Amino acid sequence: AQSVSQHNHHVILSEAASLELGCNYSYGGTVNLFWYVQYPGQHLQLLLKYFSGDPLVKGIKGFEAEFIKSKFSFNLRKPSVQWSDTAEYFCAVNARTGANNLFFGTGTRLTVIP
Amino acid sequence: NAGVTQTPKFQVLKTGQSMTLQCAQDMNHEYMSWYRQDPGMGLRLIHYSVGAGITDQGEVPNGYNVSRSTTEDFPLRLLSAAPSQTSVYFCASWATLYEQYFGPGTRLTVT
Repeated sequence: AQSVSQHNHHVILSEAASLELGCNYSYGGTVNLFWYVQYPGQHLQLLLKYFSGDPLVKGIKGFEAEFIKSKFSFNLRKPSVQWSDTAEYFCAVNARTGANNLFFGTGTRLTVIP
Repeated sequence: NAGVTQTPKFQVLKTGQSMTLQCAQDMNHEYMSWYRQDPGMGLRLIHYSVGAGITDQGEVPNGYNVSRSTTEDFPLRLLSAAPSQTSVYFCASWATLYEQYFGPGTRLTVT
């Protein structure tokens, strides 16, 4: 069975600090990987995705993520956060074979202090 | 395009009542799904559909029914509401490459 772990439950940063949110998944086969963001009071939006190719993926709003296959990880990074990045961030994984569904991590709440 | 729409936005039910959460999409996506979001637990899949007339169970299907009579609509029915079903419910749709589009959510409270 697939599972996704996000070990950081709540991260608090000051503006301009660098961000790295961890995401590990457990599945031995080929996967598609996603990061979604949920701003306060809003629905989930796709930040970035990895299907194949360059393991360093760039998304919207200056976010990027690196797929490290040997570590089963897909960590999200941003060099300098802004107050507007305050949101909840979800990592998700989908196996290339089997059901066409996403398995989500428990989410990481990011609070950016001005 | 409106994308994925959900109604109602808020709902309060008493234990034992039934209701239907509506979900519609106008992107002609084959796939649709329902998730519930609970604090500290992320999103968990309730039911999903790979096309009109085809549905299947997800991770937490008990207490919920779905049907998919058209491509556009994917209602979620609570048969007999329980306090454990207090949650925020999200509907999503997608075509291929597993990029899901989410609706705005329905916040349900069962007393």
